[in-house]
Amino acid sequence: AQSVTQLGSHVSVSEGALVLLRCNYSSSVPPYLFWYVQYPNQGLQLLLKYTSAATLVKGINGFEAEFKKSETSFHLTKPSAHMSDAAEYFCAVRSLNYGGSQGNLIFGKGTKLSVKP
Amino acid sequence: DAGVTQSPTHLIKTRGQQVTLRCSPKSGHDTVSWYQQALGQGPQFIFQYYEEEERQRGNFPDRFSGHQFPNYSSELNVNALLLGDSALYLCASSSPSRNSPLHFGNGTRLTVT
Repeated sequence: AQSVTQLGSHVSVSEGALVLLRCNYSSSVPPYLFWYVQYPNQGLQLLLKYTSAATLVKGINGFEAEFKKSETSFHLTKPSAHMSDAAEYFCAVRSLNYGGSQGNLIFGKGTKLSVKP
Repeated sequence: DAGVTQSPTHLIKTRGQQVTLRCSPKSGHDTVSWYQQALGQGPQFIFQYYEEEERQRGNFPDRFSGHQFPNYSSELNVNALLLGDSALYLCASSSPSRNSPLHFGNGTRLTVT
């Protein structure tokens, strides 16, 4: 079965510092991986996706993630944090297709990012 | 271009009651999925609808049911509400391709008292 583990339920950084949010996945086949962001009282917004085209994926708002098969990781980074980045971040893996339908997303438990001025 | 819209935004129900939540997908999308997000947790998959049929289902009891209409909009119904059903219910739409990302609505916050 596929799964996602996000290390660290809370991460706090200073404004301007590097953001690193960790995600490890488990999958028996090449995975499709996603990062989503959720602001308070809102739904999830797609930051970026990995679909086997390139191992370094660039997303919105200056975020990027690197797929490392040997480490089964898909960590999210941003060189310089802004106050507006404070939110909850979810890593997700798409489940295996079966019956010809699109697989559902399996989410990690999320990492809440705080940005200190 | 309207994204995924959900209604209502908030709902308060009593144990044992029934509730219906509604979702309109993003323009051009024909696949709708529902997720339950309990407080402090990641979203959990309930079910997916495509071509007006339930195509996949997560580990949720039969009290949770749904429907998709010819215009691709969808409803989630929950019967015999329990306190544990209190959560944010998220609707997501996508095109059917395998790597198509999900686009989420802002959710319906359901409180069961």
